Amino acid sequence: NAGVTQTPKFRILKIGQSMTLQCTQDMNHNYMYWYRQDPGMGLKLIYYSVGAGITDKGEVPNGYNVSRSTTEDFPLRLELAAPSQTSVYFCASSYRTERNSPLHFGNGTRLTVT
Amino acid sequence: DAKTTQPPSMDCAEGRAANLPCNHSTISGNEYVYWYRQIHSQGPQYIIHGLKNNETNEMASLIITEDRKSSTLILPHATLRDTAVYYCIVRVANTGNQFYFGTGTSLTVIP
Repeated sequence: NAGVTQTPKFRILKIGQSMTLQCTQDMNHNYMYWYRQDPGMGLKLIYYSVGAGITDKGEVPNGYNVSRSTTEDFPLRLELAAPSQTSVYFCASSYRTERNSPLHFGNGTRLTVT
Repeated sequence: DAKTTQPPSMDCAEGRAANLPCNHSTISGNEYVYWYRQIHSQGPQYIIHGLKNNETNEMASLIITEDRKSSTLILPHATLRDTAVYYCIVRVANTGNQFYFGTGTSLTVIP
């Protein structure tokens, strides 16, 4: 199993550009999450999904969009990049709805907006 | 707002036990406590979780107080590779399966 795979690993965007951060998991997990981590800070939840076709906002959703058309994939879209979106983005997944299912994380995408 | 409170930093001598505390005074009866760690800005790594009983695995032990308002993660014989930021997390009862991370404890293992 590859686990949770994120692409790209690094990206530099200019202000106003758009991009999609890709996330895929091969563990048949139905829950998936996007977090961002600013330097020296903890992780903030952006969006999450409890299954294909279902998404919901987390703590910091503004400036982002997500979709979940398949169980495996959960892409994160930035439409108009801003310097405040410079961060490390982590995707995660978990197995079932029971409250004792741990999160499995990808290795992150490091995004710089200039 | 973070649902847990942890000290921002701790030191531990190599080979000694590292005891990392966490307060979660608003935890609900069926909410689990999870511990993760993050090394060098890699993706967080799952360590252990528990409900009310103490738990042990190959990485660590988790001690939860009887009132469940606090817990302690124990790394029995800390090594330099255990230097990391450690996060204590509980799920928020009215938000389904969201995990909220605080700022964690930065543990430094000293040779």
